[in-house]
Amino acid sequence: QLQLQESGPGLVKPSETLSLTCTVSGGSISNSNYYWTWIRQPPGKGLEWIGSIYYSGSTYYNPSLNSRVTISVDTSRGQFSLTLTSVSAADTAVYYCARRRMDYYFDLWGRGTLVTVSS
Amino acid sequence: SSELTQDPTVSVALGQTVRITCQGDYLRSYYAGWYQQKPGQAPVLVMFGHNNRPSGIPYRFSGSSSGNTASLTITGAQAEDEADYYCASRDSSGNRVVFGGGTKLTVL
Repeated sequence: QLQLQESGPGLVKPSETLSLTCTVSGGSISNSNYYWTWIRQPPGKGLEWIGSIYYSGSTYYNPSLNSRVTISVDTSRGQFSLTLTSVSAADTAVYYCARRRMDYYFDLWGRGTLVTVSS
Repeated sequence: SSELTQDPTVSVALGQTVRITCQGDYLRSYYAGWYQQKPGQAPVLVMFGHNNRPSGIPYRFSGSSSGNTASLTITGAQAEDEADYYCASRDSSGNRVVFGGGTKLTVL
């Protein structure tokens, strides 16, 4: 059964770069039926789509984060990654990786990882 | 503010029927997806497309759409249905996704 697992630092300093990795296990990240996605949720608030990547490297980003965000994929390792630059307290959130179907529904999610931005 | 609008809170008596709605112009072009999130857990897809339930989602969950409004209906709400519910849709570009602000469902 395919599973997603987020990993990365739980604490990042303001103005620095947030980096997270999602490992896809039990299946292939190169499956042509899916995009791989990052979604975040600030404490006590709603969900925000960050961006999605295809195994070929094609990406789509949230316009509100576009200038700061990069999503990349490493098919040999079965991983995709999120980089968010110049972070502030507003970027404190639980970050989820998820699988997006071609009809744009997220049918599989990781458990999420809390990233706190603080000095 | 979200481009998909949801009522922040909704309540329902145990065993009764409740409708959770989501409004937005994108819904005139795309079907919403609905996600259930319980405290401390990741969201789970409970409805997609034209009234489609993923495997394992109870029959009491149903979906509908009309104009700019999508609805998730729970017929005979159970205590375990108490959760936050989020709608989501493709945006006008067709390539990006937006979420509604979420509805907290309380089962009384």
